[in-house]
Amino acid sequence: DSGVTQTPKHLITATGQRVTLRCSPRSGDLSVYWYQQSLDQGLQFLIQYYNGEERAKGNILERFSAQQFPDLHSELNLSSLELGDSALYFCASSVDSRSGNTIYFGEGSWLTVV
Amino acid sequence: QQQVKQSPQSLIVQKGGISIINCAYENTAFDYFPWYQQFPGKGPALLIAIRPDVSEKKEGRFTISFNKSAKQFSLHIMDSQPGDSATYFCAACRIQGAQKLVFGQGTRLTINP
Repeated sequence: DSGVTQTPKHLITATGQRVTLRCSPRSGDLSVYWYQQSLDQGLQFLIQYYNGEERAKGNILERFSAQQFPDLHSELNLSSLELGDSALYFCASSVDSRSGNTIYFGEGSWLTVV
Repeated sequence: QQQVKQSPQSLIVQKGGISIINCAYENTAFDYFPWYQQFPGKGPALLIAIRPDVSEKKEGRFTISFNKSAKQFSLHIMDSQPGDSATYFCAACRIQGAQKLVFGQGTRLTINP
């Protein structure tokens, strides 16, 4: 158990809908990351927050947004969902935002868009 | 320039053998190279990592070899065990700034008993 908690574990929704994925980082970790894992694109970095502030952006679509709250939990919002958004979404956390600090991944949220 | 290419896609090794997974990167600014292990239904877990100031790092049965001039690095698993069967990902990023890991496509390793 990495200590990173993600909910829900599985989610099935229809095209055009909006979903919210939730993440609680490990106790004491200030930095939260979101990654998308799909068969064709592999593991892709989406976005990173550090202590409530956006720190880095990757290949995140404009239809997607995220935030980190004062209690450090984070939410990833996916809207106007398309079939191609079906993927495993991972949240990860680390003590701070510097490279070289171990990033701990949660078990992921499986999103299926039908 | 942001790509990390990983090979092979899948690998079958007999128990007790050596498993070797290779990665190549393009961005010479990358200076942190971790390997992650992922079991079905689980998230990736850090296995071992290396920085380019050393050519090799060993932790137990796991060794990373790093060739800076060739922009390549590899994972060697000695005395491979059935419990090592998993998907392995190499990754790379810059030490400075945010930890935007660029992952390889993954290698599905199967260790036959």
